[in-house]
Amino acid sequence: AQSVSQHNHHVILSEAASLELGCNYSYGGTVNLFWYVQYPGQHLQLLLKYFSGDPLVKGIKGFEAEFIKSKFSFNLRKPSVQWSDTAEYFCAVNGGFKTIFGAGTRLFVKA
Amino acid sequence: DGGITQSPKYLFRKEGQNVTLSCEQNLNHDAMYWYRQDPGQGLRLIYYSQIVNDFQKGDIAEGYSVSREKKESFPLTVTSAQKNPTAFYLCASSISPLAGAHSYEQYFGPGTRLTVT
Repeated sequence: AQSVSQHNHHVILSEAASLELGCNYSYGGTVNLFWYVQYPGQHLQLLLKYFSGDPLVKGIKGFEAEFIKSKFSFNLRKPSVQWSDTAEYFCAVNGGFKTIFGAGTRLFVKA
Repeated sequence: DGGITQSPKYLFRKEGQNVTLSCEQNLNHDAMYWYRQDPGQGLRLIYYSQIVNDFQKGDIAEGYSVSREKKESFPLTVTSAQKNPTAFYLCASSISPLAGAHSYEQYFGPGTRLTVT
């Protein structure tokens, strides 16, 4: 069955710390990969996406993610987090009509 | 402004009553989706529709029903058969894979928080 696993449910960092959120998926075909973010009180919105080409993709607000096909992973990174990055982050996989979401990672950044 | 609207933001119902959640989009998207978001479980797909007058069950369709009579609208009814209806409901839309789009990123509405007592 298709699935998405996010390694951490809660992460607490201080400002300027580096961030890496893990995401692994299980899907037996060509996939599109996404990270979505839900800031407090705001709509869920797209952070970045991968569907082909360079496996290192850059998104908004300094985020990037690397697709490693051999590891079925799509980890999200940011070199230096800010207080405004406090949010819930969702990894998602789409291989057709349906998109499968991970359980989410709540990130809290201490000022 | 293009986007997705969901109404109301908060909804309260008594157990045993059906309730309909509204979702409207003006993005000209063919595909629309309903998700349920519960803490620690991410988003789970309830129903989706790739085109007007057609829709499919998602992973947790039991106790829910939908209609897709217009491209812009995809209302969700939470019936009395849904055993645990209290949740946050999200509507989304996207370009349909039927259109040959490579990247099916979804655009989300603000959500409706339903409380059933």
